[in-house]
Amino acid sequence: GAGVSQTPSNKVTEKGKYVELRCDPISGHTALYWYRQSLGQGPEFLIYFQGTGAADDSGLPNDRFFAVRPEGSVSTLKIQRTERGDSAVYLCASSPRVSGADTQYFGPGTRLTVL
Amino acid sequence: KQEVTQIPAALSVPEGENLVLNCSFTDSAIYNLQWFRQDPGKGLTSLLLIQSSQREQTSGRLNASLDKSSGRSTLYIAASQPGDSATYLCAVASGGSYIPTFGRGTSLIVHP
Repeated sequence: GAGVSQTPSNKVTEKGKYVELRCDPISGHTALYWYRQSLGQGPEFLIYFQGTGAADDSGLPNDRFFAVRPEGSVSTLKIQRTERGDSAVYLCASSPRVSGADTQYFGPGTRLTVL
Repeated sequence: KQEVTQIPAALSVPEGENLVLNCSFTDSAIYNLQWFRQDPGKGLTSLLLIQSSQREQTSGRLNASLDKSSGRSTLYIAASQPGDSATYLCAVASGGSYIPTFGRGTSLIVHP
């Protein structure tokens, strides 16, 4: 079946602009995760959803970052007033549920460049 | 706060060698430990998941071990091939949720 998809694959924007990044998880997966990966680093947790609700948003760096998952499937990560330091690859992952036994399936990521 | 360290940061070997990649973590109260592979410009692919109650997992030429008491895991790659060239990431789930903390990865190059 189809894996996790993310759009766009690349996004170039100017400092101060607003951007939206989209994630389509694997059908039926209730858990959805967002990560940010900078060059030479491992992925850094941002937020995860269990169904429609944000179960843990402790990784969001500040209030310019927000994510939604209104119908429990597709999720959108929204970044307001972008800064150059927001440049990174944003990864989305999904899993059947949140448990210690389930692995996460990752999408290819969106590379965000803020000029 | 969980911290995950991977050694070495980079590794270049000739084809056919057996390899050991190391991962250490500071908090031994973990739910699971996973090894992922990441190819350039791509997302992560899960290779092996070891649950807290397990000592090792095997898949093909890959074997991962877990020693919670010492806070260590190793990923063993047998008879390495050029197609194994990628970055290998270790991730540990601990604390109040199953959110993994990732290491920085080991960049592996296997040359023919």
